[in-house]
Amino acid sequence: NAGVMQNPRHLVRRRGQEARLRCSPMKGHSHVYWYRQLPEEGLKFMVYLQKENIIDESGMPKERFSAEFPKEGPSILRIQQVVRGDSAAYFCASSPRGGSGNTIYFGEGSWLTVV
Amino acid sequence: AQKVTQAQTEISVVEKEDVTLDCVYETRDTTYYLFWYKQPPSGELVFLIRRNSFDEQNEISGRYSWNFQKSTSSFNFTITASQVVDSAVYFCALSEAGGAQKLVFGQGTRLTINP
Repeated sequence: NAGVMQNPRHLVRRRGQEARLRCSPMKGHSHVYWYRQLPEEGLKFMVYLQKENIIDESGMPKERFSAEFPKEGPSILRIQQVVRGDSAAYFCASSPRGGSGNTIYFGEGSWLTVV
Repeated sequence: AQKVTQAQTEISVVEKEDVTLDCVYETRDTTYYLFWYKQPPSGELVFLIRRNSFDEQNEISGRYSWNFQKSTSSFNFTITASQVVDSAVYFCALSEAGGAQKLVFGQGTRLTINP
């Protein structure tokens, strides 16, 4: 009974490179969320997706960040032209249904370090 | 605006002591949901409990118990007879009713259980 799978677990990128973080939700879950944990800011919501749709991206930085959840395959969080301030843990979560009140289950996180 | 405050940044106790982690929240919604998550040193986020605003019953699960008090907007978490394996960062979170499942997290409490 696999949980939310994220990879890579750790990723090092040089400034200006691209980072791609992947997330496979729990079996039977069609709702995916991305959160970011910055060292001094705690956990913050970034984006909520269903298959092929972005439902809420109110927490996404306006530039360089994008997310998708295609019909087939994992959800991808993409960060273009990374800067040192992007260094953080990125957590993916999933739930079987949308809407508030549903428990969302988190993956183990992807730790991005920008050097 | 929603807000979650975990005033205790760090707590350190000796094994077998009882410890309570405080969580105070702010919301204008009458329907909302409260959560606790645990982040052990390995980094993953582990779901512990979900409580909705209409259910003020306290809950006990083994050595863990939760005290929800709407009158004081608090949702405190107590670990009885603490163990070294309980050492982790604990996060309290709140989500509003309706719309996307968007958790607002507190800053977390780092709990260290010393042998």
